[in-house]
Amino acid sequence: AQSVTQLGSHVSVSEGALVLLRCNYSSSVPPYLFWYVQYPNQGLQLLLKYTTGATLVKGINGFEAEFKKSETSFHLTKPSAHMSDAAEYFCAVSERTSGSRLTFGEGTQLTVNP
Amino acid sequence: GAVVSQHPSRVICKSGTSVKIECRSLDFQATTMFWYRQFPKQSLMLMATSNEGSKATYEQGVEKDKFLINHASLTLSTLTVTSAHPEDSSFYICSARRTGGWDTQYFGPGTRLTVL
Repeated sequence: AQSVTQLGSHVSVSEGALVLLRCNYSSSVPPYLFWYVQYPNQGLQLLLKYTTGATLVKGINGFEAEFKKSETSFHLTKPSAHMSDAAEYFCAVSERTSGSRLTFGEGTQLTVNP
Repeated sequence: GAVVSQHPSRVICKSGTSVKIECRSLDFQATTMFWYRQFPKQSLMLMATSNEGSKATYEQGVEKDKFLINHASLTLSTLTVTSAHPEDSSFYICSARRTGGWDTQYFGPGTRLTVL
């Protein structure tokens, strides 16, 4: 069975500072990996995904994530935080098979301080 | 591309009534759609997987007679909460996966259900 752990339910950074949101997964084989962002009272928006190929994945809004198989991690980073980045972030995994479901982490609330 | 809509965005109903929520993929065909429930400050909980033209697959603990799912076309799935009670109040989110594109789910904006 797959599982996802997001370290830190709340992360607070200053505007312009580095954003680092941690995600570790447990899976018998390398899964597909995703980061989604959720703004208040809205659905989830896909930030980026890793399926195959280059392990450093660039997404929207300046975010990127690196798949590290040896560490079973897929941490999300952004060099310089913006006030508009304040939101809930979810890491998710799915098996590399058709019809597989997403397994979500518990989410990390990012606060950006002026 | 890959836009998913939900209607209504917010609904308030009386206890004992039924509520239907629609999920549409606007610019792609979706063989598979998913329904999630999200409680405040929590992650998403998968309720059921809906495949076009067949019965939905419900997760353990989800009452299929209470949460009726219909996926009659490649662009529309509906969730009907029957005989709603206050404990059914929640944020319901659907997602859709492109036909043939089995790695990514695209999410709708969610529906806030409040049962009085």
